[in-house]
Amino acid sequence: QKEVEQNSGPLSVPEGAIASLNCTYSDRGSQSFFWYRQYSGKSPELIMFIYSNGDKEDGRFTAQLNKASQYVSLLIRDSQPSDSATYLCAVNREDSSYKLIFGSGTRLLVRP
Amino acid sequence: NAGVTQTPKFQVLKTGQSMTLQCAQDMNHNSMYWYRQDPGMGLRLIYYSASEGTTDKGEVPNGYNVSRLNKREFSLRLESAAPSQTSVYFCASIPRGAGGYTFGSGTRLTVV
Repeated sequence: QKEVEQNSGPLSVPEGAIASLNCTYSDRGSQSFFWYRQYSGKSPELIMFIYSNGDKEDGRFTAQLNKASQYVSLLIRDSQPSDSATYLCAVNREDSSYKLIFGSGTRLLVRP
Repeated sequence: NAGVTQTPKFQVLKTGQSMTLQCAQDMNHNSMYWYRQDPGMGLRLIYYSASEGTTDKGEVPNGYNVSRLNKREFSLRLESAAPSQTSVYFCASIPRGAGGYTFGSGTRLTVV
């Protein structure tokens, strides 16, 4: 079992729809959770992070965390073709070295 | 406002050759990391430096060495390159235990 699991996709949604990206993790001691966006041939860029159970909203993006279920998700509202990319989930263990463990990513395609 | 700078951007090596990947950050970050990214494997941690003067192994350290030259610079060395080290290498940094990584633009390495 991988420490951080994501469906590889592709997840295809029409423009204007809500895209829902999911991630599960195995280490119950994980403290913080991150979503990165990576365009093809580019480096990952941070979208948002979440530490506490519940929802955190930033513009069109909402991160949801459920530590009891070891589940974190990213919702993208009003999806745009420019949102087409691979989305990486990353988890920080209870560790002062702040090493992030990454999932293999979900590819999102937003159809015009 | 360069952020994290990696050199070179592309490199082709022959099996057995050596090289050093350079990384420098100008954000006064304490911790720096080297990851490799392979198709379907996500980002895997090679080595990290939690603070100036310290380095530690990550998930896949075999065949690599690192040097934290000063607070700004963290280099990755391949002493005897192997085809299995063909990958995209990313350097990342973070302030003291806060937020997410900032990534460099990556080095695409091919070993033939």
